[in-house]
Amino acid sequence: GNSVTQMEGPVTLSEEAFLTINCTYTATGYPSLFWYVQYPGEGLQLLLKATKADDKGSNKGFEATYRKETTSFHLEKGSVQVSDSAVYFCALSPNRDDKIIFGKGTRLHILP
Amino acid sequence: DAGVTQSPTHLIKTRGQQVTLRCSPISGHKSVSWYQQVLGQGPQFIFQYYEKEERGRGNFPDRFSARQFPNYSSELNVNALLLGDSALYLCASSLVGASDEKLFFGSGTQLSVL
Repeated sequence: GNSVTQMEGPVTLSEEAFLTINCTYTATGYPSLFWYVQYPGEGLQLLLKATKADDKGSNKGFEATYRKETTSFHLEKGSVQVSDSAVYFCALSPNRDDKIIFGKGTRLHILP
Repeated sequence: DAGVTQSPTHLIKTRGQQVTLRCSPISGHKSVSWYQQVLGQGPQFIFQYYEKEERGRGNFPDRFSARQFPNYSSELNVNALLLGDSALYLCASSLVGASDEKLFFGSGTQLSVL
């Protein structure tokens, strides 16, 4: 079946550190891949997406590359800020299907 | 422009009761999806509706039902509540519900079943 596995948190980093949150997936066909973010007290919002192999999604300094050969979609940012503290969800949408399957989420704490 | 609005924001029920949650999508969006988010977990898909028709259903019992109205708003109903139904219920809307389309989420309804 379709599933998403992402690294467990919480992840605690100092401001300006490099961030990687690992995400791997299992899916039939060619899913679309997403990172959603949930800031404290706010609703889920799309951070970035990629719809085909080797696509790179980017937004707000975050990047993730759709790697079909390793079935991965790792989230990276070169220099994190305190305002990046949130819960990050990796997700996929199976081809020709309409639901989104989310990972369990990774809580990120950035220390000033 | 208003985002996705959900009501109520919080709800407390007892086991065996029934609950109705409401969602208004972003203006112009014709697809509404419902997700259940248990504390510490990612959201799980419950239903998707497009143009008042059910397009998809997740692995939830028949106690869960939903509908979409002509104005594209939606209701989620849960009958015979169980303690395990305690969760944050999220509504999301999109233009046409395509698989690679961006979902816009509401802030959710926090349901507590005692």
